[in-house]
Amino acid sequence: NAGVTQTPKFQVLKTGQSMTLQCAQDMNHNSMYWYRQDPGMGLRLIYYSASEGTTDKGEVPNGYNVSRLNKREFSLRLESAAPSQTSVYFCASSRASDRNEQFFGPGTRLTVL
Amino acid sequence: QKEVEQDPGPLSVPEGAIVSLNCTYSNSAFQYFMWYRQYSRKGPELLMYTYSSGNKEDGRFTAQVDKSSKYISLFIRDSQPSDSATYLCAMNAGGTSYGKLTFGQGTILTVHP
Repeated sequence: NAGVTQTPKFQVLKTGQSMTLQCAQDMNHNSMYWYRQDPGMGLRLIYYSASEGTTDKGEVPNGYNVSRLNKREFSLRLESAAPSQTSVYFCASSRASDRNEQFFGPGTRLTVL
Repeated sequence: QKEVEQDPGPLSVPEGAIVSLNCTYSNSAFQYFMWYRQYSRKGPELLMYTYSSGNKEDGRFTAQVDKSSKYISLFIRDSQPSDSATYLCAMNAGGTSYGKLTFGQGTILTVHP
């Protein structure tokens, strides 16, 4: 089992460029999440998908879009990157349960110049 | 005021010390409490999980929850250099909010030989 995988590991963009971060899980989890992590800010939820076919905004959704492609895959798109989106992005997944123990991927380090 | 407060440290202790990490929270609906460990340049990994008030022990780690004081703790006994990491508390109210974990900022811990 690979768990949660993310691609790419690193990316440098220029302001205004677009890109898609990919995430896949092989644990048959229903729910998937995208977070960003910035120094002193902890983990902040961008978007989540409670189940296949549904997506909802989190705490910081502006400037991002998501697609739940199927049960395994959940992508995050930056349409027009800004320097404020420089961050480390984590994808996570969980079973749809009250416990909501989330399992995280290794992260994507994104720099926007 | 943040829903979950966690002292970011950094905390530096000698090998063998007992470490105490803490979080306070304001939302009385939280009933699921977790501790994640994050090594440098890695994704968070679930370390401990507790439901409602009480203690849970796993090897050198003990998690405590005091819902009356809205206070949770993680104790590490006989700390090792391999315990050096950032520790994040996370909590969830369950029910219809199952999609959202609320994280503390994280405490940076260094255990020196």
